Amino acid sequence: DQQVKQNSPSLSVQEGRISILNCDYTNSMFDYFLWYKKYPAEGPTFLISISSIKDKNEDGRFTVFLNKSAKHLSLHIVPSQPGDSAVYFCAANPGGTSYGKLTFGQGTILTVHP
Amino acid sequence: DTGVSQDPRHKITKRGQNVTFRCDPISEHNRLYWYRQTLGQGPEFLTYFQNEAQLEKSRLLSDRFSAERPKGSFSTLEIQRTEQGDSAMYLCASSAMRGAGYTFGSGTRLTVV
Repeated sequence: DQQVKQNSPSLSVQEGRISILNCDYTNSMFDYFLWYKKYPAEGPTFLISISSIKDKNEDGRFTVFLNKSAKHLSLHIVPSQPGDSAVYFCAANPGGTSYGKLTFGQGTILTVHP
Repeated sequence: DTGVSQDPRHKITKRGQNVTFRCDPISEHNRLYWYRQTLGQGPEFLTYFQNEAQLEKSRLLSDRFSAERPKGSFSTLEIQRTEQGDSAMYLCASSAMRGAGYTFGSGTRLTVV
């Protein structure tokens, strides 16, 4: 069963506009969420994270929102830049002894057009 | 460079052969993780170590797979009798306790022909 889902395989945005990437999860035991960016032939690069006790975390152009009741998180990138074009993965981290065992979504390919 | 290093970057092997990958984590990190990523999917957890102890293994890790971290530093992942379905990107990550500084390597791309 897919515990973390990114239902949009791709997203196309104009440079300067906002990119919104969405992620849903089913396991209420997840207590920490992360977003990663990945280029082909490279490993995932950490972008931003959020603890389950918060509903928003901001870092420069990147903001992550968490809605625990809906089991939904989103990543906002504003303004979007062509260099942001990559695959974006959300990942969920369980609490307890399995901390660090990340569960990833399938990824969303973001294309930012100049 | 103090990042996570993986070797080799690419490996092509014939079905039935054994392969071994190496991961060198960030030196002060005591947790090391292996993931596998296939096309169109996110990385899937395989196993992880805390120091030299292997604490958890996914059911994805069949008997043909074995991972070691003998001195709590680098780790190896061996696949015996490779099958075409083993073709994937194998990613290694490391972190300090409680996941701080969770960092991925660039991965090893395995192709089984």
